[in-house]
Amino acid sequence: AQSVSQHNHHVILSEAASLELGCNYSYGGTVNLFWYVQYPGQHLQLLLKYFSGDPLVKGIKGFEAEFIKSKFSFNLRKPSVQWSDTAEYFCAVIPYGQNFVFGPGTRLSVLP
Amino acid sequence: EPEVTQTPSHQVTQMGQEVILRCVPISNHLYFYWYRQILGQKVEFLVSFYNNEISEKSEIFDDQFSVERPDGSNFTLKIRSTKLEDSAMYFCASSEARTSGGTDTQYFGPGTRLTVL
Repeated sequence: AQSVSQHNHHVILSEAASLELGCNYSYGGTVNLFWYVQYPGQHLQLLLKYFSGDPLVKGIKGFEAEFIKSKFSFNLRKPSVQWSDTAEYFCAVIPYGQNFVFGPGTRLSVLP
Repeated sequence: EPEVTQTPSHQVTQMGQEVILRCVPISNHLYFYWYRQILGQKVEFLVSFYNNEISEKSEIFDDQFSVERPDGSNFTLKIRSTKLEDSAMYFCASSEARTSGGTDTQYFGPGTRLTVL
């Protein structure tokens, strides 16, 4: 079945550690890719998005993601996490002609 | 910065009752969406709405669900006879253009937590 997968259910890091959250999708053809973040008690917020062009996308709060078409991946990275990055992170894909498909989410806990 | 708003933030209802969840999309947006997130699970698409009619809907969006744009600003989701399994966070979203095809981004509201007892 076509889907979006996120490699880790829960990631625990110390402050200043580097972060990489995996996202893979199984749709062929044109896709648009997003990362959303949901801080505790808050709503979904867009971190970054990729539609076309440079596959390395920079978002807010120091996050970036790289689209690797051959690997059907769109991994999220941050060189140095902070305690305030503790949140749930959702990868989302829009296959051409369809609506959003969200991944299951990865909970990130950053220890002070 | 304009944002999508939703009311109420939390709705508690008895099984079998009707509920209406309300959303005010961003004012110049033309496409509207509802999603839900059952606790501990992923966000799921319910329905998209454009030009006063449903554009697409998922399998989840069965006959007990309906959407409406009763005036120029509100976008509502009605659940006619709630079931226990309808307990979830319901998110409204809007976009300027149809997101599918890659022309725009959906902006999400804060969500309404629905608890069915």
